[in-house]
Amino acid sequence: GDSVTQMEGPVTLSEEAFLTINCTYTATGYPSLFWYVQYPGEGLQLLLKATKADDKGSNKGFEATYRKETTSFHLEKGSVQVSDSAVYFCALKVTGNQFYFGTGTSLTVIP
Amino acid sequence: GAGVSQSPSNKVTEKGKDVELRCDPISGHTALYWYRQSLGQGLEFLIYFQGNSAPDKSGLPSDRFSAERTGGSVSTLTIQRTQQEDSAVYLCASSLSQFREQYFGPGTRLTVT
Repeated sequence: GDSVTQMEGPVTLSEEAFLTINCTYTATGYPSLFWYVQYPGEGLQLLLKATKADDKGSNKGFEATYRKETTSFHLEKGSVQVSDSAVYFCALKVTGNQFYFGTGTSLTVIP
Repeated sequence: GAGVSQSPSNKVTEKGKDVELRCDPISGHTALYWYRQSLGQGLEFLIYFQGNSAPDKSGLPSDRFSAERTGGSVSTLTIQRTQQEDSAVYLCASSLSQFREQYFGPGTRLTVT
């Protein structure tokens, strides 16, 4: 079945460090892929998305490229800030109405 | 404009009691989703509404769980005879249509004692 596997956390980085959070997926069709972010005390927010292979989603300095050959959608940021501390969720949506979410990766950025 | 709102924000209930959780989607959003987020787990899909109908109820964990949506707007998730394993954060999301991105509410934290 359709599913998402993402890197387990928690992840702790120093400010300005490079961030990668791995996400791989299994899907029977041609999924759209998403990264959602949940800041402390807030609801989930869409961070970026990609709807077809080789698309790159980007927002707030974060990027992820839809790699069909490796079934991956890794999240990257070149220089993290304290304000990036949050839980990040990878998700996919195939045809139909259901989103499949990963378990979330908690990121803490220390000054 | 206003985002998705949920109430209550926190609910503590005794095992065996019934609870109702409410979701107010963004105005004009026809699609509405309920998810459950347990400690250390990802988001578990519960149910999806398109308008007032629920074409996909596959995620409801048991017959103690039910949901309805009226007027194409507000939705209520009801859990009957709550169990301790029902303790989780229940999230609601809405979208303009089933093909568009979802906007999430802040969630209701349910604790069953």
